[in-house]
Amino acid sequence: ETGVTQTPRHLVMGMTNKKSLKCEQHLGHNAMYWYKQSAKKPLELMFVYSLEERVENNSVPSRFSPECPNSSHLFLHLHTLQPEDSALYLCASSPGTSGPYNEQFFGPGTRLTVL
Amino acid sequence: AQSVSQHNHHVILSEAASLELGCNYSYGGTVNLFWYVQYPGQHLQLLLKYFSGDPLVKGIKGFEAEFIKSKFSFNLRKPSVQWSDTAEYFCAVNRYNNNDMRFGAGTRLTVKP
Repeated sequence: ETGVTQTPRHLVMGMTNKKSLKCEQHLGHNAMYWYKQSAKKPLELMFVYSLEERVENNSVPSRFSPECPNSSHLFLHLHTLQPEDSALYLCASSPGTSGPYNEQFFGPGTRLTVL
Repeated sequence: AQSVSQHNHHVILSEAASLELGCNYSYGGTVNLFWYVQYPGQHLQLLLKYFSGDPLVKGIKGFEAEFIKSKFSFNLRKPSVQWSDTAEYFCAVNRYNNNDMRFGAGTRLTVKP
C-alpha cells in the first residue's frame, strides 16, 4: 500500500474542459511534487512545494496550475490543455527537500488523455 | 544544465544472467543518487540510494550500485536476475540542498524465463 494516493487514476478530457488532479500523502512529509511522465522521455519535474510554499516551477505552461492547501494535499488544476499534454502525471512526497530528506515516494499516477 | 544519461533503452536477459545498467550524470558538485524501479502496472519504488559514505550501496531484492565520482557514474548491478525483475529502471540525481531531481529516460529490462 503506497503512502501516496492519486485520484483519478484515469482521466479523459477535451481541450476546453477544466479538471483537477488530486494527490494525498499519508507519510507526514513536508514536501510534495508533480511530475510528468511521457513515453520514452525522462520524468519531468513540474512543481515542488515545501511546507505548502511553491519552491520550484520548471517553466510549466500556465494551463497547469498547482495548489497545495496543506502539507498532505496537492492538486493540479488543468484547463485548455493540448493533446501533447497527454501523459502520466505522478505525484511524489519527501520528508524534506535537501540531502537525505529528498528521498521521494511516488503515487500510482493519473493517466491523462487530452482529446 | 544537470542531466542524467541511461545508456540502454531496452535490455533483454535470460534468467540467472548478470545485470549492469549504466547511469551517468553531468553535475560536478555534491550529489544524491537514486535508482527507482517501476514494475508493470505499479508505481515507482525506490531500489537504493546514495548520499555519502561507502560508494557501494546495497538495495532491495539483491540490487546494488556503485558510485564512481571520477566517472560521474552510478551503475546498477545484480549478479543473477529473475523473471520478476522485468520492469523499467530509472536513475535519478539531485544536487545536495537542491529541489530539482533529474531523472534519466529509463531502461526497460525484460528477463526471459
